[in-house]
Amino acid sequence: DAGVIQSPRHEVTEMGQEVTLRCKPISGHDYLFWYRQTMMRGLELLIYFNNNVPIDDSGMPEDRFSAKMPNASFSTLKIQPSEPRDSAVYFCASSRDRKAFFGQGTRLTVV
Amino acid sequence: DAKTTQPTSMDCAEGRAANLPCNHSTISGNEYVYWYRQIHSQGPQYIIHGLKNNETNEMASLIITEDRKSSTLILPHATLRDTAVYYCIVRDPLGIQGAQKLVFGQGTRLTINP
Repeated sequence: DAGVIQSPRHEVTEMGQEVTLRCKPISGHDYLFWYRQTMMRGLELLIYFNNNVPIDDSGMPEDRFSAKMPNASFSTLKIQPSEPRDSAVYFCASSRDRKAFFGQGTRLTVV
Repeated sequence: DAKTTQPTSMDCAEGRAANLPCNHSTISGNEYVYWYRQIHSQGPQYIIHGLKNNETNEMASLIITEDRKSSTLILPHATLRDTAVYYCIVRDPLGIQGAQKLVFGQGTRLTINP
């Protein structure tokens, strides 16, 4: 298996633009997690899904952030409009049973 | 989720065993202890997990105290590539949906010195 695949690896965008981050989980995994990592706040859980259904989105910082999982093999995290304080590395992870596996992350820079 | 407490940083000489402690005094009976590590600029990597018995795999050993209130991750022969931030997390992987989330603290920054 290729592992959790995230795209793009790097994204630079201007303030106010819409940004979409993508994640392909490992086949057969029934949980999917989105995290954000910054120096100040560390790794923060934003939202997670079970069988494509959002379970807990309490970590989503504000209404500008939204996440979807239309099927078991794809999820998106969208920021609209983006702001400079959204600059961070965004990780996607998937899990089945006891282990969670992470993608390599998307480094987002909003200028 | 049960909270965990880890030292902020540790140093270890290359080739020696690295012992990373974690306190989780409020762990519940169904919660497992997980260890992940994050090497610079990469996504967190699963290392090992356990419930109450000691566990060993190709990467590390996990020693959990009898009362389950603390644990130690052991890297038996540390190499420079083991330099990373190590996270201890407690989680109920078989519990209700709400218990499945993996919440990271600040972890221990382990530096392996030549």
